[in-house]
Amino acid sequence: AQKITQTQPGMFVQEKEAVTLDCTYDTSDPSYGLFWYKQPSSGEMIFLIYQGSYDQQNATEGRYSLNFQKARKSANLVISASQLGDSAMYFCAMREINTGNQFYFGTGTSLTVIP
Amino acid sequence: DTAVSQTPKYLVTQMGNDKSIKCEQNLGHDTMYWYKQDSKKFLKIMFSYNNKELIINETVPNRFSPKSPDKAHLNLHINSLELGDSAVYFCASSLRDGAGAKNIQYFGAGTRLSVL
Repeated sequence: AQKITQTQPGMFVQEKEAVTLDCTYDTSDPSYGLFWYKQPSSGEMIFLIYQGSYDQQNATEGRYSLNFQKARKSANLVISASQLGDSAMYFCAMREINTGNQFYFGTGTSLTVIP
Repeated sequence: DTAVSQTPKYLVTQMGNDKSIKCEQNLGHDTMYWYKQDSKKFLKIMFSYNNKELIINETVPNRFSPKSPDKAHLNLHINSLELGDSAVYFCASSLRDGAGAKNIQYFGAGTRLSVL
């Protein structure tokens, strides 16, 4: 089974609108971390936001927020007030703390912001 | 100061050659990784080292050999390069036993390898 599933290969959003990028995960480890990374066309992998499995509140970092629904095993990224510079690939990732300590990445979602 | 730096950024070479990619981190992390990103943007872990010890070794051809002289460096040497090795290779680092936000993995800028 896939550890991380991103079902949206491509998404479009109008500038200044909000967009949600979906991510579901699969783990039996009670201790894990969830991450989102942005990869613009220039190629670097930029860390955006982190959510721990024991965190009670959803993580927020500026215009990024993580909609963490533990029972559903989903960790969707919400980008508010989209900007043209948000056009990029977005990767969801998970780290299982007690089980090998390995990072698992999803296949990514390509986001295009339309002016 | 670049936290995770890898060199070179671009590498163009002929089939059959041997090449190396260097990676250094100044974050004080104890674990480093090599990933391969193919043309479809899929990220595949190749190796992971913790304090110079190999802890993850995915199914990668023997032509790929990582070397970690110390916990701040993890180099990747590739022998007898093949066309299929063309990809972007990312180095990354993290704390193995980091708690909370210290679990974060940081990436280098990537090395785009083109084998002709």
